Amino acid sequence: EVQLVESGGGLVQPGGSLRLSCSASGFTFNNYGIHWVRQAPGKGLEYVSAINSNGGSTYYADSVKGRFTISRDNSKNTLYLQMSSLRAEDAAVYYCVKRNGYSYDDWGQGTLVTVSS
Amino acid sequence: DVVMTQSPLSLPVTLGQPASISCRSSQSLVYSDGNTYLSWFQQRPGQSPRRLIYKVSNRDSGVPDRFSGSGSGTDFTLQISRVEAEDVGIYYCLQGTHWPPTFGPGTKVEIK
Repeated sequence: EVQLVESGGGLVQPGGSLRLSCSASGFTFNNYGIHWVRQAPGKGLEYVSAINSNGGSTYYADSVKGRFTISRDNSKNTLYLQMSSLRAEDAAVYYCVKRNGYSYDDWGQGTLVTVSS
Repeated sequence: DVVMTQSPLSLPVTLGQPASISCRSSQSLVYSDGNTYLSWFQQRPGQSPRRLIYKVSNRDSGVPDRFSGSGSGTDFTLQISRVEAEDVGIYYCLQGTHWPPTFGPGTKVEIK
């Protein structure tokens, strides 16, 4: 069974930093690209960032470019999202999502990021 | 970016009756390999999204056959043949053909 377990969310002040992690199991982690997708409270789904299977290529939504960094450690089956210069509009549940065939076939349970002073 | 629109945004339905959700894209979703990468997701209250349909009309494992997807080019539809109580939630379409992937705004399905 595929499992994606996010952690690292919490309350942070505007301008602060936070690192999210996603621990994967139940599939061959280094065969798949993984994305971060977020959902602001009461809002829809938004692609945030992506990394290919070997970590050699990374992608970012314009809204987070220059502030967020995605990375992965295939030896630990873990994905990361380093978030800095956080803004109120970054507050959301962040989901780790497995990409398969130009779609998302497995989602984590999400981790909540709150940005407030 | 490809803009995805859905209608209606709110859909009150009667148990046992059919329901239909439309999803439209601002560009054709036919990829260079001939496939159309349009997926549908269900998000029940308090849960993570779950994929129901991929490549327009392919049901994921474990998805009841009352869910079906259809469409082509820029116009797509998710149909529920007979709505059950467990179908309450928000439904999103996603296009994966063009980068970046983009979601529709969601359609909230509720029981009348």
